[in-house]
Amino acid sequence: DVKVTQSSRYLVKRTGEKVFLECVQDMDHENMFWYRQDPGLGLRLIYFSYDVKMKEKGDIPEGYSVSREKKERFSLILESASTNQTSMYLCASSPGGVGQNSFFGQGTRLTVV
Amino acid sequence: KNQVEQSPQSLIILEGKNCTLQCNYTVSPFSNLRWYKQDTGRGPVSLTIMTFSENTKSNGRYTATLDADTKQSSLHITASQLSDSASYICVVSGGTNAGKSTFGDGTTLTVKP
Repeated sequence: DVKVTQSSRYLVKRTGEKVFLECVQDMDHENMFWYRQDPGLGLRLIYFSYDVKMKEKGDIPEGYSVSREKKERFSLILESASTNQTSMYLCASSPGGVGQNSFFGQGTRLTVV
Repeated sequence: KNQVEQSPQSLIILEGKNCTLQCNYTVSPFSNLRWYKQDTGRGPVSLTIMTFSENTKSNGRYTATLDADTKQSSLHITASQLSDSASYICVVSGGTNAGKSTFGDGTTLTVKP
């Protein structure tokens, strides 16, 4: 079974802190994604990566950056956390190509106070 | 603009009953349509994936249909169980960019004893 593991289930950070969310997948998938999910807004794509060191902006990249130094790991970075970044963050991975089935991590509930 | 609309927004049924969730989309070009189940506080889990040439796909008590001409899909749940209580998300992918999947806002299903 594909496993996508996010480093934390719950995080509480202070406004202005730099926050790292880590995601690791064990199926050698080319594609990795970071989404945030908010009530009434569904899942929104922040960034995705289709290869090591390659990244593309999603629909809401502002205030975020990403890093993919190794194929199995995709990190989401909040440079200076703000209260409007309080959300559920979901990482996903999929095989290379378009429209492949995505496998999601368990999610990280981030609260910025 | 690519859109995925799901209905109803929420649904309550009694255990053992059947139900059908709807998904209408305007995504073009079309690659595939996926249904996910998301338990509260968890990441989404794939139920079915259908390409243009497939009009039905089953996964246990879940059966998805696709009408690519009318751009509609449905997810039918048979003999519902309490564990079916979750959010069901319809996702449509298309084009040549792996990041370009459009998510519906989900239908929240509650199964009551």
